[in-house]
Amino acid sequence: DAGVTQSPTHLIKTRGQHVTLRCSPISGHKSVSWYQQVLGQGPQFIFQYYEKEERGRGNFPDRFSARQFPNYSSELNVNALLLGDSALYLCASSTSTDTQYFGPGTRLTVL
Amino acid sequence: EDQVTQSPEALRLQEGESSSLNCSYTVSGLRGLFWYRQDPGKGPEFLFTLYSAGEEKEKERLKATLTKKESFLHITAPKPEDSATYLCAVWEGGGADGLTFGKGTHLIIQP
Repeated sequence: DAGVTQSPTHLIKTRGQHVTLRCSPISGHKSVSWYQQVLGQGPQFIFQYYEKEERGRGNFPDRFSARQFPNYSSELNVNALLLGDSALYLCASSTSTDTQYFGPGTRLTVL
Repeated sequence: EDQVTQSPEALRLQEGESSSLNCSYTVSGLRGLFWYRQDPGKGPEFLFTLYSAGEEKEKERLKATLTKKESFLHITAPKPEDSATYLCAVWEGGGADGLTFGKGTHLIIQP
């Protein structure tokens, strides 16, 4: 079975630009969560969606937004990029509120 | 104050030299504790979920245990392929349903 997939793999943007990251969950999973991981740190929770509704939000500014589609795939949008947004962005899927399985991540570099 | 603290930050072992990694947590209403393995530049790979004090789980050379304040990941007779960063995460009751991660333990197994 296919695991969690994310696109693109790598992305380079400049300050002030906007970026959209995409995630497809494991088949049968209805919940998607997004995390940001900077080098040397553990992942930090950004959002969780379940059945297309936002279930939770971490301590991130309003520049970060997300949505979930009827097929349970998800997008993470970041506006007005800052240098500090450079990180590995991880998507995780789960059946509801149990074990989360992570995708390979999208490496975002902001110049 | 960190809710999840992992120690040591880094650990170098000889092949076959058993050891333990520690994860201490200070959350209330723990709903689950998770261990993941992460290779450089990749997404975390799920290892174990523990739900209650006294619970133990094993997989190959790894064994995870849980008490009311901490969890241990025991590695028995490790091999070089066990080299990775091991992440601990907690799922807290009443929270935003996101996982709270520690910073990880970087484990190197030398042949």
